[in-house]
Amino acid sequence: TQLLEQSPQFLSIQEGENLTVYCNSSSVFSSLQWYRQEPGEGPVLLVTVVTGGEVKKLKRLTFQFGDARKDSSLHITAAQPGDTGLYLCAGENTSGTYKYIFGTGTRLKVLA
Amino acid sequence: DTAVSQTPKYLVTQMGNDKSIKCEQNLGHDTMYWYKQDSKKFLKIMFSYNNKELIINETVPNRFSPKSPDKAHLNLHINSLELGDSAVYFCASSYGTTWEQYFGPGTRLTVT
Repeated sequence: TQLLEQSPQFLSIQEGENLTVYCNSSSVFSSLQWYRQEPGEGPVLLVTVVTGGEVKKLKRLTFQFGDARKDSSLHITAAQPGDTGLYLCAGENTSGTYKYIFGTGTRLKVLA
Repeated sequence: DTAVSQTPKYLVTQMGNDKSIKCEQNLGHDTMYWYKQDSKKFLKIMFSYNNKELIINETVPNRFSPKSPDKAHLNLHINSLELGDSAVYFCASSYGTTWEQYFGPGTRLTVT
């Protein structure tokens, strides 16, 4: 079964700190998305990365797609309480059983 | 103003019953999806329709039958409900197969 493993699974930090979330797989992805989900709601799309090595910025969030398109990272600078949520990576598989898979999730809590 | 809506929000039913969940999107997207999110927050794709045609069916029991009357609607009917069907079901939509999905608020199904 293809997996997108995210690390860390849980992260609790103080407001103003920086953090990085990792999304790793042994499979190659045609594209990869990052979503944020808040309790009782559906995931909200943050970004799509397509090209190996691509870097995208969304305000304080920086997303990077690995050169081999097997992994990705999300870096948050100066985290704020509003960043609290479940972060999910997801991607379109180029091979394997499932065409589109979600990562295992990273639950972030930013304390004021 | 709601982009992707689902009804009902909550559904509590007994084993063996048949139930339906409805989804509508007003984004003009041509592709719609059903996902299941388990108690550990793991999201798994179930079905995808493009222009009312089924394009993804990810090894879901045939008790689950999606129906797409038009591009803006995708319903999910579940027969003979089992305890293991308890989960949150999300509908989503996108343009084509960009995988940049907009999710509905989810339907929490509890089977007793």
